[in-house]
Amino acid sequence: AQSVSQHNHHVILSEAASLELGCNYSYGGTVNLFWYVQYPGQHLQLLLKYFSGDPLVKGIKGFEAEFIKSKFSFNLRKPSVQWSDTAEYFCAVILPNQAGTALIFGKGTTLSVSS
Amino acid sequence: DAGVTQSPTHLIKTRGQQVTLRCSPKSGHDTVSWYQQALGQGPQFIFQYYEEEERQRGNFPDRFSGHQFPNYSSELNVNALLLGDSALYLCASSAQGTGGQYFGPGTRLTVT
Repeated sequence: AQSVSQHNHHVILSEAASLELGCNYSYGGTVNLFWYVQYPGQHLQLLLKYFSGDPLVKGIKGFEAEFIKSKFSFNLRKPSVQWSDTAEYFCAVILPNQAGTALIFGKGTTLSVSS
Repeated sequence: DAGVTQSPTHLIKTRGQQVTLRCSPKSGHDTVSWYQQALGQGPQFIFQYYEEEERQRGNFPDRFSGHQFPNYSSELNVNALLLGDSALYLCASSAQGTGGQYFGPGTRLTVT
């Protein structure tokens, strides 16, 4: 079955450290890729998305992600994290050739940033 | 411009009962999706509605059903509730042909 894997369950960083969260998907065709963030007490928000074109995608709040087709990966990066980046991060895909646009989510990565 | 709204915020039901959750999409959006998020897990897709029809369905039993109204709002119904149905139920909306779904705050359902 198609799946989305987020290998880091919980990441702990100090402010100003660099961040990279891994995301791999198991489907071999063309997929649409997303990163969502859920800040404490808030609802899921879209950070960035990739459909086609430049594999390096820039999102909100200084986040970016790189699509590497040969590795089936879509890792999320940020050069310097802030305490306010503490949140749950979810990678998600939309598979092609579906009747709709269902998002398939990974299990999420909890990021804790200490000041 | 209001985003996606859901009601109620919290709900406590007993096993075997039925529940209805409601969702109003973001202005300009015509597609509504429902997800179930268990504690410590990512959201799982239940179904998606477009033009008042169920367009896509995830791996959920028939106890889960839905409806979309002409104003694009939507309901999720769950019959014969089980303890395992306890979760956060998320509604997301999008505009047909665009990417990225916008999520509401969710309804926390507890089944006792």
